[in-house]
Amino acid sequence: SSELTQDPAVSVALGQTVRITCQGDSLRSHYTNWNQQKPGQAPILVIYNKNNRPSGIPDRFSGSSSGNTVSLTITGAQAEDEADYYCHSRDSSGNHVLFGGGTKLTVL
Amino acid sequence: QVQLVQSGAEVKKPGASVQVSCKASGYTFTDYYIHWVRQAPGQGLEWMGWIYPNSGGTNYAQKFQGRVTMTWDTSISTAYMELTRLKSDDTAVYYCVRDWELNYWGQGTLVTVSS
Repeated sequence: SSELTQDPAVSVALGQTVRITCQGDSLRSHYTNWNQQKPGQAPILVIYNKNNRPSGIPDRFSGSSSGNTVSLTITGAQAEDEADYYCHSRDSSGNHVLFGGGTKLTVL
Repeated sequence: QVQLVQSGAEVKKPGASVQVSCKASGYTFTDYYIHWVRQAPGQGLEWMGWIYPNSGGTNYAQKFQGRVTMTWDTSISTAYMELTRLKSDDTAVYYCVRDWELNYWGQGTLVTVSS
């Protein structure tokens, strides 16, 4: 498959834990990365190579995987985490980038 | 620090071409791939292709084959993306992004295609 599937929208109460998922056959073979995008801004990387955080990303962000599904977990969601989240990985050839459709996270 | 600075907004008529530039600083330009990603208004992210300045190799998404050309100039650490035969649905913000993890993004360039 050449697609990555994400739920369009997810909500979480302030301070609670939320999991955002991304599903696709190519995820069995290639690492997944997660970008966060707030309105009017360029995306920023929050998780790379399944479960690594770039410098400056809070440790409440973590990644995991199981089979063809990868997850971004925010433990203790904050108001500033409200954003769109995109997973991305390589396709089966390893030469192209695939994006999920994005998940809009609302923090209640 | 790593920075990617893109050229300014463009307004083009249908059928025209546009070239967006991306000037890199804070790292060795030839060591990393540069990807181009676009985002139409209210839509998700769409990958267009990559260029590897070290070898000059390119790889484009099938959707853009024949319409997109990615080039570079090592002497000024700048990558370019040209899109031809523009249509109204090419209206989008175009980003250059470093490496396969997409770890550093340009600020984006809005390209508006309108008659």
